[in-house]
Amino acid sequence: DGGITQSPKYLFRKEGQNVTLSCEQNLNHDAMYWYRQDPGQGLRLIYYSQIVNDFQKGDIAEGYSVSREKKESFPLTVTSAQKNPTAFYLCASSITPRSGANEQFFGPGTRLTVL
Amino acid sequence: RKEVEQDPGPFNVPEGATVAFNCTYSNSASQSFFWYRQDCRKEPKLLMSVYSSGNEDGRFTAQLNRASQYISLLIRDSKLSDSATYLCVVVTTSGTYKYIFGTGTRLKVLA
Repeated sequence: DGGITQSPKYLFRKEGQNVTLSCEQNLNHDAMYWYRQDPGQGLRLIYYSQIVNDFQKGDIAEGYSVSREKKESFPLTVTSAQKNPTAFYLCASSITPRSGANEQFFGPGTRLTVL
Repeated sequence: RKEVEQDPGPFNVPEGATVAFNCTYSNSASQSFFWYRQDCRKEPKLLMSVYSSGNEDGRFTAQLNRASQYISLLIRDSKLSDSATYLCVVVTTSGTYKYIFGTGTRLKVLA
């Protein structure tokens, strides 16, 4: 079955620690995205990547880092510089648009809690 | 003004009712539009794309009004299983495609 996987589902971190969230897709999609969702707010874009070895900052990139060494993988690191990291993190992917935007497909998410 | 706005609800409706949600957007150059459904503590899942001429998928109808800058979602014959949060997504482009999510409208279908 094709899809997007994220791990772990739940993650607990102590303040001051970096943590990496995994995102893997086997949909052969070129573009991948990281969002964060907080209660009562819409999804906010952290980083996105349209091709391997290239990525761009989204609206709230401070305190986060990513890499895109393989087409299938787009891990997100939440660093200790992120002031309020407790949130629901969602990874998504889409076909690179040729004419018009394509829908995004989401992984099941990682719920990060900082203790 | 927010780029994309939705009434948060909740909309409480009885089974079998017809319910409609609107989503307004501020950028008149927006190009693509989608409705997603999100269940509690789950990821958003695509419900349907919104086409200029309007489109229907079973009990769901989506429409786009470019002049007034809103999209709508109509659900007929509501089922208990329709209870969820409905997110609208508006896509703009300025070199790259930017997906802007609304905060969602919560629907509760009551028995």
